[in-house]
Amino acid sequence: DSGVTQTPKHLITATGQRVTLRCSPRSGDLSVYWYQQSLDQGLQFLIQYYNGEERAKGNILERFSAQQFPDLHSELNLSSLELGDSALYFCASSVVSGVGNEQFFGPGTRLTVL
Amino acid sequence: AQSVSQHNHHVILSEAASLELGCNYSYGGTVNLFWYVQYPGQHLQLLLKYFSGDPLVKGIKGFEAEFIKSKFSFNLRKPSVQWSDTAEYFCAVNPRDGYSTLTFGKGTMLLVSP
Repeated sequence: DSGVTQTPKHLITATGQRVTLRCSPRSGDLSVYWYQQSLDQGLQFLIQYYNGEERAKGNILERFSAQQFPDLHSELNLSSLELGDSALYFCASSVVSGVGNEQFFGPGTRLTVL
Repeated sequence: AQSVSQHNHHVILSEAASLELGCNYSYGGTVNLFWYVQYPGQHLQLLLKYFSGDPLVKGIKGFEAEFIKSKFSFNLRKPSVQWSDTAEYFCAVNPRDGYSTLTFGKGTMLLVSP
């Protein structure tokens, strides 16, 4: 157990819908990262927040957005869902935002878009 | 932008065989290097990391990796694998002059037969 929690574990929805994935970082960690894991693209970085502010952006679609709340939990919002958005979404956290800080990964949310 | 290449998508070994998984990265500057493991149904866990110093790093569960700067490589090794090593292994890099986000390789699925 890494100490990072993600809910829900599984999510099945239809095309065009909107979903929210939730992540709670390890106690004391200020930085949260979101990654998408799919069969064709592998593990890709989406977005990072540090202490409530967006810190870095990766291959995140405009239909996707995220935020980090004052209690440091984070939510990833996926809208206008397409079949290709089906993937495993991981959240990771680290103490600070500096280069080289070890990231601890949550168990992931498996999203299936039908 | 940086990229990571893992040479083998699937590796099948018998117990007690030696393991070497290849990882090459592409980046013009200095990087931190990581190997993560994902056991079936579980979250990503850090196996080992290299930041600086001795290029031969030892991780958990008997794994080690060697950073060869001239070859841009960070290969993972284990002298004798066990059935419990069956998992997917990911190499990742993190440029030191950028953000702390990770760029992952596509992963290598290792199957160890008893």
